[in-house]
Amino acid sequence: RKEVEQDPGPFNVPEGATVAFNCTYSNSASQSFFWYRQDCRKEPKLLMSVYSSGNEDGRFTAQLNRASQYISLLIRDSKLSDSATYLCVVNMESSGYSTLTFGKGTMLLVSP
Amino acid sequence: DTGVSQDPRHKITKRGQNVTFRCDPISEHNRLYWYRQTLGQGPEFLTYFQNEAQLEKSRLLSDRFSAERPKGSFSTLEIQRTEQGDSAMYLCASSFGKATNEKLFFGSGTQLSVL
Repeated sequence: RKEVEQDPGPFNVPEGATVAFNCTYSNSASQSFFWYRQDCRKEPKLLMSVYSSGNEDGRFTAQLNRASQYISLLIRDSKLSDSATYLCVVNMESSGYSTLTFGKGTMLLVSP
Repeated sequence: DTGVSQDPRHKITKRGQNVTFRCDPISEHNRLYWYRQTLGQGPEFLTYFQNEAQLEKSRLLSDRFSAERPKGSFSTLEIQRTEQGDSAMYLCASSFGKATNEKLFFGSGTQLSVL
């Protein structure tokens, strides 16, 4: 099983639609979870952290399900500017140190 | 500009040559990371430093790769005897805070093409 797994997409949605991405992770001991956004030919940028109780930032809602080891990102009222690749990120313990492991990303294309 | 900066932005080299990249993190950040990304993939962890100490190195990293952060500020990543498979975007990131709750700030990357 891959450490962090995402559906690569692309997800094609019209403006105004609601879209959800899931991500599964292999290490049950993982403690920190994030969603990063990456525009074409740009560096990844933090979109939001994912907290155990779930959290919302405007049109974006992130949730964590520890029992099933997956996190989700919900985008409401999609904008053209939301078109990007969304990277799921999970901390992994190795040799006593924690590093952040990225999924391959899910591509979102929002059309007019 | 107080973000993470990387130099050069692009590097084209011939197979077998050595290349070195530089990363200047955000000044107050004590952690520095190197990642590699190829088309259609997420960033792949290579190594990271806390201050000047190299704390973790990916098992996937061959001996041709070496990284340094001599004074706990900027870092260099050297690839010796480059191979075509080394062609990728090399991303540097920095952070400050607890290891289990890090938020990474990335530089724009160095795009390496090995001919």
